[in-house]
Amino acid sequence: EDQVTQSPEALRLQEGESSSLNCSYTVSGLRGLFWYRQDPGKGPEFLFTLYSAGEEKEKERLKATLTKKESFLHITAPKPEDSATYLCAVQAGGAQKLVFGQGTRLTINP
Amino acid sequence: GAVVSQHPSWVICKSGTSVKIECRSLDFQATTMFWYRQFPKQSLMLMATSNEGSKATYEQGVEKDKFLINHASLTLSTLTVTSAHPEDSSFYICSAREVRAGNTIYFGEGSWLTVV
Repeated sequence: EDQVTQSPEALRLQEGESSSLNCSYTVSGLRGLFWYRQDPGKGPEFLFTLYSAGEEKEKERLKATLTKKESFLHITAPKPEDSATYLCAVQAGGAQKLVFGQGTRLTINP
Repeated sequence: GAVVSQHPSWVICKSGTSVKIECRSLDFQATTMFWYRQFPKQSLMLMATSNEGSKATYEQGVEKDKFLINHASLTLSTLTVTSAHPEDSSFYICSAREVRAGNTIYFGEGSWLTVV
């Protein structure tokens, strides 16, 4: 069974304090790993898709990386507006659906 | 990025009535759309996968007669909650798969349903 585990469950940082969020996965035939940002009361906002180990993608203060077992979302010099829940999901095998992790609630204090 | 729109954003209905939520892909055609339910401080729970022109595939434990899904066109899927009860109150989110963008799945803004 495909599984996705995100850690930590919650993370508090000071503004400017860089850190990383982890997404570990166990799947049969990874087709894509997705990162989303979700603000309270809203739908997830697409950030990145990674397809193969070694791939990296960047967007503003965020950088996503992928290995054969996990993905990291690095956040550099975060700002309070980066506070949100970050969701990781995988698409595997012949399935169309995404399997989600439980998310990491990130809070950036000014 | 691609846009997926849900309507209504929030709705209040009386117990026993039915309510319909629409999900539209505004700038791409979506052969596959997904419906999720989300409880407070929890991750998304997939309810069903809908493919244009065919019957939806429901996840285990989701009542297909209660949550009717129709995907009649390449840009529109609807979720109808039939005979709604207070326990159906939740945040419902749809998503759509854009094939051109490497199968990226984009989400709508979500719809809050309150059954009173």
